[in-house]
Amino acid sequence: EIVLTQSPATLSLSPGEKATLSCRASQSVGNSVAWYQQTPGQAPRLLIYDASNRATGIPARFSGSFSGTDFTLTISSLEPEDFAVYYCQHRSNWPLTFGGGTKVEIK
Amino acid sequence: EVQLVESGGGMVQPGGSLKLSCTASGFTFETYWMHWVRQAPGKGLEWVATIMEDRSRKNYLDSVKGRFAISRDNAKNSLFLQMNNLRAEDTALYYCARGYYGSPDFWGQGTPVTVSS
Repeated sequence: EIVLTQSPATLSLSPGEKATLSCRASQSVGNSVAWYQQTPGQAPRLLIYDASNRATGIPARFSGSFSGTDFTLTISSLEPEDFAVYYCQHRSNWPLTFGGGTKVEIK
Repeated sequence: EVQLVESGGGMVQPGGSLKLSCTASGFTFETYWMHWVRQAPGKGLEWVATIMEDRSRKNYLDSVKGRFAISRDNAKNSLFLQMNNLRAEDTALYYCARGYYGSPDFWGQGTPVTVSS
């Protein structure tokens, strides 16, 4: 099973600041990582698929990148609606797994 | 507009059974992989099962193998999850999700399952 380790667990930032979220895979997953945003009481929303492709309707302030087994989600300038929990997920093989999440909270 | 509406959740005793349903609309259901993903109260996301557009190909989380069965009816744009021999640790909100292959790209709002005596 591929383990995805997200860091930090919590990120305290102010609106307008840049957020950098990390997801490390326990073994090679190619580029098959997606990122999701979940706000309280809501279903997750796909932000990024295949490491760096923005999903339909996702603002350009969200971007994804990777190097080897290290994946990064960057939010260039936080908007009030961006304070949420973010999960990474791989689709490289079975079982599919999610990271433990990073909570982006208002400082 | 893509819509996924889950139903069938509820409270059941340990060892009991439930069948979850998901009705899809707004896309060509028969051409997509479909997933069930769950979220225990206050916890993260956990993949449960996937069925590919070819209904013969299915995959399961190890802890639900032999107890849960995923199925689909492409003629009725519906996805199902038959859950047997339920355990307390199966308590969660169960999401139906459309797949961009192995990555869920659109999610329903979920149906809650509580396993308790």
